[in-house]
Amino acid sequence: GEDVEQSLFLSVREGDSSVINCTYTDSSSTYLYWYKQEPGAGLQLLTYIFSNMDMKQDQRLTVLLNKKDKHLSLRIADTQTGDSAIYFCADRSGNTPLVFGKGTRLSVIA
Amino acid sequence: EAGVVQSPRYKIIEKKQPVAFWCNPISGHNTLYWYLQNLGQGPELLIRYENEEAVDDSQLPKDRFSAERLKGVDSTLKIQPAELGDSAVYLCASSFWGANNEQFFGPGTRLTVL
Repeated sequence: GEDVEQSLFLSVREGDSSVINCTYTDSSSTYLYWYKQEPGAGLQLLTYIFSNMDMKQDQRLTVLLNKKDKHLSLRIADTQTGDSAIYFCADRSGNTPLVFGKGTRLSVIA
Repeated sequence: EAGVVQSPRYKIIEKKQPVAFWCNPISGHNTLYWYLQNLGQGPELLIRYENEEAVDDSQLPKDRFSAERLKGVDSTLKIQPAELGDSAVYLCASSFWGANNEQFFGPGTRLTVL
């Protein structure tokens, strides 16, 4: 079946950039999403990218999509302690439901 | 605007007992989802409703799980009887089903089965 893979942990210093990577297997994915989950909370949509785009920028967030390699990344510029959370990559193909990765736990060191 | 509301936030029960979770989606959202999130995992879809109709329940363990969405608004997810392996967070989300399908998630119900 379809699969979404992420590295489990990332640790960065405050002020540095964070890059969270994701690979997916479904070549027909139409939308790819990044969600953030803080402790005890539900998931919050950060940004998404349509599959015919290769980059999307939104303030401190930059999403890069390499459709050939089925690779998605999320770059957070000037990472702050408030960015510490679990980040989930998810994809969707047509009318199928979202398929989530296991999440990357980002720790920001002051 | 109020977000997705879920209750209770936490529930502790003994195995073999029944349990129910409630979700109130964002007003006007026609699509409602129930997800299961195990520790250290991403959410996995249990069931999706479009209005009152369950359009995808292929991952719902129907021997013990049931769900309903009366009048196409609130929804209830029930487990009867609960097993130890059901301990997890149950997330509800809602959206307008369509283009980018942005889903808004509730805070979840953390279930512990003893």
